Amino acid sequence: DQQVKQNSPSLSVQEGRISILNCDYTNSMFDYFLWYKKYPAEGPTFLISISSIKDKNEDGRFTVFLNKSAKHLSLHIVPSQPGDSAVYFCAADLTGNQFYFGTGTSLTVIP
Amino acid sequence: DSGVTQTPKHLITATGQRVTLRCSPRSGDLSVYWYQQSLDQGLQFLIQYYNGEERAKGNILERFSAQQFPDLHSELNLSSLELGDSALYFCASSPQINTGELFFGEGSRLTVL
Repeated sequence: DQQVKQNSPSLSVQEGRISILNCDYTNSMFDYFLWYKKYPAEGPTFLISISSIKDKNEDGRFTVFLNKSAKHLSLHIVPSQPGDSAVYFCAADLTGNQFYFGTGTSLTVIP
Repeated sequence: DSGVTQTPKHLITATGQRVTLRCSPRSGDLSVYWYQQSLDQGLQFLIQYYNGEERAKGNILERFSAQQFPDLHSELNLSSLELGDSALYFCASSPQINTGELFFGEGSRLTVL
């Protein structure tokens, strides 16, 4: 039972443009959401998070949007850079007990 | 470098065998999580320990077991291995239970032949 879904396995974007990565979840009890970035041969690294009481969180080029009514999360990267090419996982947390991860979206930023 | 150390990085073994994966969390982190990433799959939560005690259990098979020792390092034991157990196994740690960020190790790649 996949409670967190990333329906786009891959995404290609031109350098300088916006990258939008999407994530859907099914459990309305999730109270914290995170995005992780993963390069080959490395473990995932934390990128940005958002609490369920907010609808937007921004950190530099990265912004996460949360739409609780739609159970939808998105990550915007503006402007996209070649170094952003990686696999991005969204994750949802149930009061710190378990983190449920999506299947990941592979982002390629074309120079 | 996340500060989380996993050994071994790569492991090749045969079906029916047993292996142990080891994780040293970041200094001071009390909580350890184990995840499995199979081909084209997301990170599947297996189990969480907090300060030596099992805190939460996910999709962990009965053939798998884990523990966290007094020095807070953790081991994941996989027995009666099957071909489908081939995967990347990640360990992550966090300072406490209710925190939003996990710090991941580089993973242990297990190949079962």
